[in-house]
Amino acid sequence: EVQLVESGGVVVQPGGSLRLSCAASGFTFDDYTMHWVRQAPGKGLEWVSLISWDGGSTYYADSVKGRFTISRDNSKNSLYLQMNSLRTEDTALYYCAKGREPYYYDSSGYLTSFDYWGQGTLVTVSS
Amino acid sequence: AIQLTQSPSSLSASVGDRVTITCRASQGISSALAWYQQKPGKAPKLLIYDASSLESGVPSRFSGSGSGTDFTLTISSLQPEDFATYYCQQFNSYPSYTFGQGTKLEIK
Repeated sequence: EVQLVESGGVVVQPGGSLRLSCAASGFTFDDYTMHWVRQAPGKGLEWVSLISWDGGSTYYADSVKGRFTISRDNSKNSLYLQMNSLRTEDTALYYCAKGREPYYYDSSGYLTSFDYWGQGTLVTVSS
Repeated sequence: AIQLTQSPSSLSASVGDRVTITCRASQGISSALAWYQQKPGKAPKLLIYDASSLESGVPSRFSGSGSGTDFTLTISSLQPEDFATYYCQQFNSYPSYTFGQGTKLEIK
């Protein structure tokens, strides 16, 4: 059974930093692109970042570029999101999500939907 | 960036009704569209991928259609557990995985 379990969400002051983690199990972690998606309270879904199967490529939404860093440790089946210079508008529930197709599906694994999501971890940026 | 517009934003329907939700893309995205269901306090759940393919384990009353810029999600006969918020998502253009604004399906 595929499981994604996020952790690390807390209350932090504007300008602060935070590192989120996502522990994966039940699938061959290093075959898949992984994503972070967030949802502000009462709002819709916003894609945040992706990392390729091998960690060699990363992409970010413009809203977080230069402030957030995605990484992964395939030896630990874990995904991370380092969040710096946090703003009040970063307040959200952060989900990790798995790409549906493995990297060898289209030689990247980017052009696919997200078939499994964690339960989310809440980040609150407030003074 | 590709924009996705869902309609309606909210919808009231009864158990047994046939319901259709529309998602329009600001430019062509081929069949690179997914539909998700989200219930309060829960993570999104993939229903349809590649515009019309039913994800494993999803009831057959859910179906998707369309390509290019216009897409639909249809629920053939609403069940009590289907009342939720539905989102479309495009993955034709990375790194911009746009979601629609959501359609809240409520009990009439």
